[in-house]
Amino acid sequence: DAKTTQPPSMDCAEGRAANLPCNHSTISGNEYVYWYRQIHSQGPQYIIHGLKNNETNEMASLIITEDRKSSTLILPHATLRDTAVYYCIVRLIYNQGGKLIFGQGTELSVKP
Amino acid sequence: DTAVSQTPKYLVTQMGNDKSIKCEQNLGHDTMYWYKQDSKKFLKIMFSYNNKELIINETVPNRFSPKSPDKAHLNLHINSLELGDSAVYFCASSPSEDRVESPLHFGNGTRLTVT
Repeated sequence: DAKTTQPPSMDCAEGRAANLPCNHSTISGNEYVYWYRQIHSQGPQYIIHGLKNNETNEMASLIITEDRKSSTLILPHATLRDTAVYYCIVRLIYNQGGKLIFGQGTELSVKP
Repeated sequence: DTAVSQTPKYLVTQMGNDKSIKCEQNLGHDTMYWYKQDSKKFLKIMFSYNNKELIINETVPNRFSPKSPDKAHLNLHINSLELGDSAVYFCASSPSEDRVESPLHFGNGTRLTVT
């Protein structure tokens, strides 16, 4: 079973920041938070991951609360091409064969 | 160049048939995976291979048999296809199976429809 909880859907206006929340209240000290997204009819795409500190890359920023029980993925300037299902996943540091456990994700709709 | 490529993209077949889906990655990764996405859009791991060796088999029926001729290829053969096998099958790869710093790279899926 997935160890994360996400809202099923969200809307965002084009050009605005999209803030996608994720709860992972049972996360352990040796688990990372990963974010993937799946654009319609494509395979999941890696976005970003983090352990304790906030992270930023060319796609997004990841904000992890101090107690690590929740996180927020931020797309700073959402475009129509960011419309997708976003998955928040917790993953062991030393992983059992690379397994990712996907939940239902958040369906983000970016509107003009 | 496509990093993880699957063929075919669409596969329509009748119950009872045997079919194969091919996957190739040109990323030089050691680990490859098969995931299944059902009609409710849940993505679930089926198998993972590291350097041609089976690492994970997630209680998949014996009718599903992965084969890895080399570390760049992981094919999925399905015997005696059933209606419930209809789904989208995704192949993925990563540099290593045990390092969490290794994100998975997914192919674009094979949509299997069993009639």
